[in-house]
Amino acid sequence: AQSVTQLDSHVSVSEGTPVLLRCNYSSSYSPSLFWYVQHPNKGLQLLLKYTSAATLVKGINGFEAEFKKSETSFHLTKPSAHMSDAAEYFCVVSLPSNFGNEKLTFGTGTRLTIIP
Amino acid sequence: DAGVIQSPRHEVTEMGQEVTLRCKLISGHNSLFWYRQTMMRGLELLIYFNNNVPIDDSGMPEDRFSAKMPNASFSTLKIQPSEPRDSAVYFCASSLAGPISTEQFFGPGTRLTVL
Repeated sequence: AQSVTQLDSHVSVSEGTPVLLRCNYSSSYSPSLFWYVQHPNKGLQLLLKYTSAATLVKGINGFEAEFKKSETSFHLTKPSAHMSDAAEYFCVVSLPSNFGNEKLTFGTGTRLTIIP
Repeated sequence: DAGVIQSPRHEVTEMGQEVTLRCKLISGHNSLFWYRQTMMRGLELLIYFNNNVPIDDSGMPEDRFSAKMPNASFSTLKIQPSEPRDSAVYFCASSLAGPISTEQFFGPGTRLTVL
């Protein structure tokens, strides 16, 4: 079984300040972990992906996440928030299938609000 | 590439009517996923296909829901009869399955309202 827990349903930060979105995971296997972003009335876009290579993963738009096995965490960070970062963010864990693709399990999401 | 294409973008229907949602995969992709997003349950995987074959439909709510891939690039999700609790945003996503898995690319979604 696998699951992810996003610890905050809503985070507000001021423009130009750091962003921290927290995620803890549970998996019986060595997991692949993802962060997806969903802007209002849009589909989901992959921000970054961890697949047992480097534990610090850099993604698009200046985001990065660090895989910490001892803490079962995969928190998403950005040094300086921009107004365009306002969106819903999903932490995702995958269970590899026999067919080379991955069955995704989504967290409940964290809504990020940027204060001008 | 135009990305994953879904139609319609919005659908409003009355309880008991049949609803068909459509999805066109990214050219060259061979895996197709249908998801449902609601406030109460978040994002849930309904079913996924690999090379036109349904692999896992354990997320399909009940027999009122059915999904098909009549060809390698197109899929439909049908609800018959529809109920108000089916109101949600339905996303499809495609990927290229292989020895090294790739990300899933999501369509813009279909917002379904059942009155």
